Amino acid sequence: KAGVTQTPRYLIKTRGQQVTLSCSPISGHRSVSWYQQTPGQGLQFLFEYFSETQRNKGNFPGRFSGRQFSNSRSEMNVSTLELGDSALYLCASSPSLAGVQETQYFGPGTRLLVL
Amino acid sequence: GENVEQHPSTLSVQEGDSAVIKCTYSDSASNYFPWYKQELGKRPQLIIDIRSNVGEKKDQRIAVTLNKTAKHFSLHITETQPEDSAVYFCALYFSGGYNKLIFGAGTRLAVHP
Repeated sequence: KAGVTQTPRYLIKTRGQQVTLSCSPISGHRSVSWYQQTPGQGLQFLFEYFSETQRNKGNFPGRFSGRQFSNSRSEMNVSTLELGDSALYLCASSPSLAGVQETQYFGPGTRLLVL
Repeated sequence: GENVEQHPSTLSVQEGDSAVIKCTYSDSASNYFPWYKQELGKRPQLIIDIRSNVGEKKDQRIAVTLNKTAKHFSLHITETQPEDSAVYFCALYFSGGYNKLIFGAGTRLAVHP
């Protein structure tokens, strides 16, 4: 099976702009989670989607949002970008069997630089 | 609460030595404990995981031990090789929600030839 893919891989934006990142999960996986990775804060959970519904949300401001489509592909959007949003954004997918805590498989990430 | 403490933050060993990384947690609801390895510029990759119904799991040079009573789990790498150099993250699931992985801060392992 093909792994988790993310597009674009690199992005440069300026403060105040918005950005949309895309994630395609492993075929058959229904859950997509998003994480932000920075040198200072490590890997932090943003949100998780399952069956087009947000099931969990981390402690990030409302400028961070996401959605999931019927084919399980997911997008995240960051509006009004700030310098501190510069980070590696990782998505991860899992089959999401009911009641089972499962392995999550990560995509290569999108590296966002905000100038 | 949502917290995983990982130690040490950096670890330097000679090739062939063993390396041990330990994580402690406070939320006891997790029953799945994965370890990820992240090489420079690459994605985190699962290297081993353990479920709460076992105390130890081995895969060649890598092993993980879990003590649910004491709320800690550890990664053991034996006969380290230069290609083991990377950042290692422990993780567990937060009881408050599905698929919400909480990560330790990471351990940067350097294996010197």
